[in-house]
Formats: sequence, structure tokens, C-alpha cells
Amino acid sequence: DTGVSQDPRHKITKRGQNVTFRCDPISEHNRLYWYRQTLGQGPEFLTYFQNEAQLEKSRLLSDRFSAERPKGSFSTLEIQRTEQGDSAMYLCASSTRTGTAYEQYFGPGTRLTVT
Amino acid sequence: TQLLEQSPQFLSIQEGENLTVYCNSSSVFSSLQWYRQEPGEGPVLLVTVVTGGEVKKLKRLTFQFGDARKDSSLHITAAQPGDTGLYLCAGTNAGKSTFGDGTTLTVKP
Repeated sequence: DTGVSQDPRHKITKRGQNVTFRCDPISEHNRLYWYRQTLGQGPEFLTYFQNEAQLEKSRLLSDRFSAERPKGSFSTLEIQRTEQGDSAMYLCASSTRTGTAYEQYFGPGTRLTVT
Repeated sequence: TQLLEQSPQFLSIQEGENLTVYCNSSSVFSSLQWYRQEPGEGPVLLVTVVTGGEVKKLKRLTFQFGDARKDSSLHITAAQPGDTGLYLCAGTNAGKSTFGDGTTLTVKP
């Protein structure tokens, strides 16, 4: 199966620690997205890349969050000085243009718990 | 800000019943996607609709895109327990998607 993969699936950390998540997209997809999802909510956009270029970053994203996609393949999302409010599911998706539409395919997510 | 409202928020029905869930916005989208999500997993793409008025069928699921490309509906015929899950719609422009908060469907055997 060559779907989107994310690592780790679960992360428990103490407040104030830094965490880093990895996403490996579908190989031929040039766009990669990061979302955050909390219980009872839909995915909330964080940022996205086209190849290695970060094209947009949500205004809701504090400067403790940073994402990279150095070679246009896998991506990392780092959260510095974690807070309890950062506890959420972090989802990665990749896409390519299909006809006139972009279809996003999601990974299984990384569940972050900040204690 | 492009907002998508999904209704109902929760729906619990018996196996064999039909149901419709809705996705509404004041914004126009170039395409709209429906996803199904299981607890602890990422959303799984069900369908993409692009043209106003478009209807797509996927087995017992029927998806419709509104004429003005601002809203959509998902109709399930003869629901089964395996249809249980969170149904999310996402409106997309220029490759960027905005998600609704979903409809949680429970189908009881």
C-alpha cells in the first residue's frame, strides 16, 4: 500500500517539551497539507506545501509551530514548548490535481497528548 | 472566511432506514469532497463533485452538489451498521480545503 503514512501514531509529552512528527505522502503527489483536529471538530488547516515551497500558513498557527518539506518529499511538523491546548490529532494529507480538482488523501494521524 | 455547516450534527437510525445529511455554505467552491472518518483514524475520501447540480452514486450512497456550488447533500439508502462513522464535507478552492465539523452517524443493527 502506498498511501500517506505518519509517524508516530501516538505521542505523549510533558508540557514545555518539543515534539516532531513526520509525514510521508503518496509519492507522485506534489502538495502536502497539515491539519489539526480536536474532538467534535472537523480538520483545521495549518499549512501546506507545493513541492518544497510552503505556500500558506494559517494565521491561527503560533510561532511555536514550524513545518518543513526539505526535498519536496516527506514533511515534518515541529511544536516547540508544547502546551496542553496543543493536544489534538495532527493529520497530514497529500494531493495532486485530478482533472479540475485537487483530491486530498489523508494519513492515519498522530495523536498528541500533552500532560 | 469560508465556513461549512453540516447538519444534523448527530444522527442515530436503525439498520435499513434511509437518511440524508447536508453541507451548506455561503461561499462558492470549485469542488467539494465528502469523507468518512472512523475514530482514531484519518478521513477517507468518498467522492469529489465539481459541477453545479452534479449527482454521483457510490453503491448505496448518493452525493449531490448544489446548482450554485455552495452546498451538497449525501443520501444513504438502506443504511447498514458498517456505515457508522463521522461524515465530513470539505469545500475546495485552489487546492485548499475548508472542512465542516461533520455528522456523526450511528446505524443500529
